[in-house]
Amino acid sequence: TQLLEQSPQFLSIQEGENLTVYCNSSSVFSSLQWYRQEPGEGPVLLVTVVTGGEVKKLKRLTFQFGDARKDSSLHITAAQPGDTGLYLCAPTGANNLFFGTGTRLTVIP
Amino acid sequence: SQTIHQWPATLVQPVGSPLSLECTVEGTSNPNLYWYRQAAGRGLQLLFYSVGIGQISSEVPQNLSASRPQDRQFILSSKKLLLSDSGFYLCAWTDRLRSPLHFGNGTRLTVT
Repeated sequence: TQLLEQSPQFLSIQEGENLTVYCNSSSVFSSLQWYRQEPGEGPVLLVTVVTGGEVKKLKRLTFQFGDARKDSSLHITAAQPGDTGLYLCAPTGANNLFFGTGTRLTVIP
Repeated sequence: SQTIHQWPATLVQPVGSPLSLECTVEGTSNPNLYWYRQAAGRGLQLLFYSVGIGQISSEVPQNLSASRPQDRQFILSSKKLLLSDSGFYLCAWTDRLRSPLHFGNGTRLTVT
């Protein structure tokens, strides 16, 4: 299994602040997915990025896939308590779908 | 529409007892099926995946096993549970390599 490091591991911020979390690997991926998991539930897909350098926006969330397709970032603008959760990245293109180490985000009202 | 059912939702089992968790998918054919485990406060660890009936790939050596007796049924088993088997077990499916993973609601297993 390839290693997919996410940073930071934990992040606690005040409502209204901006933040960026990262997903890094030494391997090249054909595409990458971002999921968010809330306590006691399964992860839910947020976005799939496919092309190197691609930027996708989902309301206040901006996802970027690195030019070399080895890394990705998620930027949240004006975080809200509803953004609280575990953010996971996962490469696609193979049957063994593994996840990154995760970033646990807490947004304090 | 497709749905995934996973049960039971919670389970408390003594050390050394057997385990059977079941997952079924409706509304799709020949899905890829997955079992993940999540320790408290941690990320998801891929345990097993299956691309077809009777085809099981194991990612982590352990005392767990998986079976796929029918196209849309995936079972996670153990003959003798260990304390370290405690965690949140999630079943998931996808129908194409770049499609989303759809997760069940999970089973919280506590081994005492």
